[in-house]
Amino acid sequence: GENVEQHPSTLSVQEGDSAVIKCTYSDSASNYFPWYKQELGKRPQLIIDIRSNVGEKKDQRIAVTLNKTAKHFSLHITETQPEDSAVYFCAGIGGGADGLTFGKGTHLIIQP
Amino acid sequence: DAMVIQNPRYQVTQFGKPVTLSCSQTLNHNVMYWYQQKSSQAPKLLFHYYDKDFNNEADTPDNFQSRRPNTSFCFLDIRSPGLGDAAMYLCATSRDTGTAYSPLHFGNGTRLTVT
Repeated sequence: GENVEQHPSTLSVQEGDSAVIKCTYSDSASNYFPWYKQELGKRPQLIIDIRSNVGEKKDQRIAVTLNKTAKHFSLHITETQPEDSAVYFCAGIGGGADGLTFGKGTHLIIQP
Repeated sequence: DAMVIQNPRYQVTQFGKPVTLSCSQTLNHNVMYWYQQKSSQAPKLLFHYYDKDFNNEADTPDNFQSRRPNTSFCFLDIRSPGLGDAAMYLCATSRDTGTAYSPLHFGNGTRLTVT
């Protein structure tokens, strides 16, 4: 099945700076890669996703890049704000599989 | 306007006493999932239904069962909860799976405590 590795486990950045979280996946047939944001005690919420036929996708301050050859994808957050503080999970879905496999999460801390 | 509703929000049960968690959806999605999330960990897929077809993950303990009586409702039954089963249980839905994968919509979760 799919295996998703996520780094770093904790990331602290100054407000206004950029944050980058990276994930690698094992199944070359994987074709869908979402990113979820989870605030303390709340449900995960989809913030952006990308399919394997696209190399990059952007939504305001958030972008995701995908390198299929290297089997990794990254989340980029620019001009970080205090409300960006949360745990971020990447995920992938293996070829033929029906459920998402999540990375272990990155705790993003925005320092004022 | 909640679309995936989980009840109760908090559930306390005794060691070994069966417990049922419920989930309902108003999205009319084909797929309903149950995830287990322990503190500071990623959600872990237990099983899912595509319509009435049940799909169990290989490493999901037999202690966990699920029922989906109709499109809107799905239940998680824990037959004999152990202390290690204390976790947040997240229900999610999606319109489709596989190559036609569509995003997950999560409920707010049920936090299970086992005493």
